[in-house]
Amino acid sequence: GQQLNQSPQSMFIQEGEDVSMNCTSSSIFNTWLWYKQDPGEGPVLLIALYKAGELTSNGRLTAQFGITRKDSFLNISASIPSDVGIYFCAGPVSGNTPLVFGKGTRLSVIA
Amino acid sequence: DAGITQSPRYKITETGRQVTLMCHQTWSHSYMFWYRQDLGHGLRLIYYSAAADITDKGEVPDGYVVSRSKTENFPLTLESATRSQTSVYFCASSETRQILSGNTIYFGEGSWLTVV
Repeated sequence: GQQLNQSPQSMFIQEGEDVSMNCTSSSIFNTWLWYKQDPGEGPVLLIALYKAGELTSNGRLTAQFGITRKDSFLNISASIPSDVGIYFCAGPVSGNTPLVFGKGTRLSVIA
Repeated sequence: DAGITQSPRYKITETGRQVTLMCHQTWSHSYMFWYRQDLGHGLRLIYYSAAADITDKGEVPDGYVVSRSKTENFPLTLESATRSQTSVYFCASSETRQILSGNTIYFGEGSWLTVV
């Protein structure tokens, strides 16, 4: 089936640092979604991208839809302790649900 | 607003027992999904449903049964639980099939299942 490859698998950063993570696929996706999962909770949508090349921000978060449509990037600026969690990229097969998910990037922020 | 709720949140059961995880949504969303989350695998789709009485297999359906007699409920049953089914289970819902602006998938808080 479809596979989304996320990297890095985990990150330990100091509070205040910027974070970058990415997601790649062997297939073209027409939509990229970034979710965050807080410890003990379900994933929550952070940013949705619908067009190749699109750059979208949500507060300190910025995500980009790669030009090739096979990748996406998520950046977090000036990290804070509440950024801790698992970040998932996801995309719909053939533009429709259900979504396929990457394995996630686990972020730890050291105060 | 309740949104999407799962029960139980935590369950310990024995190998071979039948377990049912409940999922209820108040949005009247057409689509509902069950995912399982395991370390090293991320979220994997078990089953999904496009509407009442319509269900389809996902990536890892073996050992699971679903039903959807009412739009708002989508229970997941493990007919004979095995240790490999120890996992965190997430129910989700979506208004339509298409992932377009304004529509996405919303997740419940998860059900932690341990099979001993």
